[in-house]
Amino acid sequence: KQEVTQIPAALSVPEGENLVLNCSFTDSAIYNLQWFRQDPGKGLTSLLLIQSSQREQTSGRLNASLDKSSGRSTLYIAASQPGDSATYLCAVTKNNFNKFYFGSGTKLNVKP
Amino acid sequence: DAGVTQSPTHLIKTRGQQVTLRCSPKSGHDTVSWYQQALGQGPQFIFQYYEEEERQRGNFPDRFSGHQFPNYSSELNVNALLLGDSALYLCASSSRQGVYGYTFGSGTRLTVV
Repeated sequence: KQEVTQIPAALSVPEGENLVLNCSFTDSAIYNLQWFRQDPGKGLTSLLLIQSSQREQTSGRLNASLDKSSGRSTLYIAASQPGDSATYLCAVTKNNFNKFYFGSGTKLNVKP
Repeated sequence: DAGVTQSPTHLIKTRGQQVTLRCSPKSGHDTVSWYQQALGQGPQFIFQYYEEEERQRGNFPDRFSGHQFPNYSSELNVNALLLGDSALYLCASSSRQGVYGYTFGSGTRLTVV
């Protein structure tokens, strides 16, 4: 069974810092990996999708990398802002048209 | 272009009652998945519907059932509610191949008292 772990569980940084969120998964046979943002009590907003054949994806200040062989992904946030405060979740699928396995998330607090 | 729409947004029910949650997928999507997210945890997969049939199911009891309609919208039904069913219920839609990932709705917050 696929297990997804996110470290750290919580992170507090001052505004302007660059930071890295980590995600690891036990079964490297994934189809794709997706990073989501979740604001308190809200649904999930997709940030980046990485197909299994890709190594990284970028969107604005966000960059996500994928190393399938080691079962790891990182989400890099550049020049963090208070508006980035949220919980960040990573999720993997085993094949297309399949369910997501989610980590428990990293709760990020960016202090002004 | 409307995203995934879920209703209601909040719901309070009493133990033993039954509840129905609704989801309209994003335009162009034909597959709907349901997830349960307990407080402080990642979402857990309940089941997935495609072509009006349940295609996959997670580790949830038969009290959880669903339906997909010809217009691809879906319902999640939970019978004999327990306190532990209190959670945020998320609906996600995708195209059949899932190549472009999934789009999630804002969820329904269910509280069982």
